Amino acid sequence: QKEVEQNSGPLSVPEGAIASLNCTYSDRGSQSFFWYRQYSGKSPELIMSIYSNGDKEDGRFTAQLNKASQYVSLLIRDSQPSDSATYLCAVNPWAGNNRKLIWGLGTSLAVNP
Amino acid sequence: DGGITQSPKYLFRKEGQNVTLSCEQNLNHDAMYWYRQDPGQGLRLIYYSQIVNDFQKGDIAEGYSVSREKKESFPLTVTSAQKNPTAFYLCASSIQGAEAFFGQGTRLTVV
Repeated sequence: QKEVEQNSGPLSVPEGAIASLNCTYSDRGSQSFFWYRQYSGKSPELIMSIYSNGDKEDGRFTAQLNKASQYVSLLIRDSQPSDSATYLCAVNPWAGNNRKLIWGLGTSLAVNP
Repeated sequence: DGGITQSPKYLFRKEGQNVTLSCEQNLNHDAMYWYRQDPGQGLRLIYYSQIVNDFQKGDIAEGYSVSREKKESFPLTVTSAQKNPTAFYLCASSIQGAEAFFGQGTRLTVV
């Protein structure tokens, strides 16, 4: 059973701090990794994709991938109250014809003013 | 504008009634998915389709049915066999190995 695990939280950080969200996965052959943000009552929206080891930065967001250790993380710099949401990690376990993402249960983030 | 459209946004079902949720995409994606999300819970896969006229059961397919007659459309029917259908239903689409994009969701309530 392929699995993706996240700490459910809630993770609470003060405004302006760095929020660090982590995700581990079980399938060593996984190729594609995604972070989604979901506000309460809304659908998930993609914020970062990462495919190779290392860091990928986009504005205040940085995704970090370590395939040897089978984890992917998301850093949010200068956290804002508007970043308060649930963050979902998704993994594509194989880059071939398998198009079914495996989802973590999400980490709830609260940014306090 | 490209995207995924789900309708209706809110749906009420009476006991014993079948209802159909619509999902249409104009992103030219081959793969489409239906998820169910209960309050405070993660996404659970109901059905998915990788190509027209083919679909596979997900983790919680009992009480649901789908069709994929056109690439753009993947409707979900919640049948009377689904005893606890109240939930938030999400449709998504993707290309091979890439990220999924979601519609706005349909909130189904049994009355």
